[in-house]
Amino acid sequence: DVKVTQSSRYLVKRTGEKVFLECVQDMDHENMFWYRQDPGLGLRLIYFSYDVKMKEKGDIPEGYSVSREKKERFSLILESASTNQTSMYLCASTAGGHYGYTFGSGTRLTVV
Amino acid sequence: GENVEQHPSTLSVQEGDSAVIKCTYSDSASNYFPWYKQELGKRPQLIIDIRSNVGEKKDQRIAVTLNKTAKHFSLHITETQPEDSAVYFCAASPIKAAGNKLTFGGGTRVLVKP
Repeated sequence: DVKVTQSSRYLVKRTGEKVFLECVQDMDHENMFWYRQDPGLGLRLIYFSYDVKMKEKGDIPEGYSVSREKKERFSLILESASTNQTSMYLCASTAGGHYGYTFGSGTRLTVV
Repeated sequence: GENVEQHPSTLSVQEGDSAVIKCTYSDSASNYFPWYKQELGKRPQLIIDIRSNVGEKKDQRIAVTLNKTAKHFSLHITETQPEDSAVYFCAASPIKAAGNKLTFGGGTRVLVKP
């Protein structure tokens, strides 16, 4: 069974901390994505990557950065966590072309 | 960029009735329209998708219709069952989007009452 694994299910961090969210997929997918999910707002794209070391900004990249050093791993970095970054973060991957995403289980991040 | 609007935000139906969720999109270049179901505490999962060369697609009790002229698409669930209770998301992807970037609607919370 194909998998997208997010390293943490729940995280609590303090304001100003640097936070790393990790995502690993075992499907050899080229494309990986980070979304945040907030009630009523659906899923909003933060960053995505269509190849190793390649990254592109999504709709809400401010306050975030990403890293993709290996094909299977896509990391989301909150440079200095703020309370408005409290959210559910979902990682997803897909093969090239128009195919459905496979999502990870999500990381619920609380910034206090 | 693409903008996807989804209605209604909540939908309550009696078991056995039909449910319809509607989405509109803004970018006429979009050509891929998937629907995801997210059960409470679980990850979103693809339930059906449609491409712009097709007007309708069915899979058992669910169907999706697409009107490219009007830029809207809909999800239809017939004979609803309690296990259909979930949040449903529509999405759209423009043909030129690098990496198959999906733009999602705001979600519809569906409650099927027994």
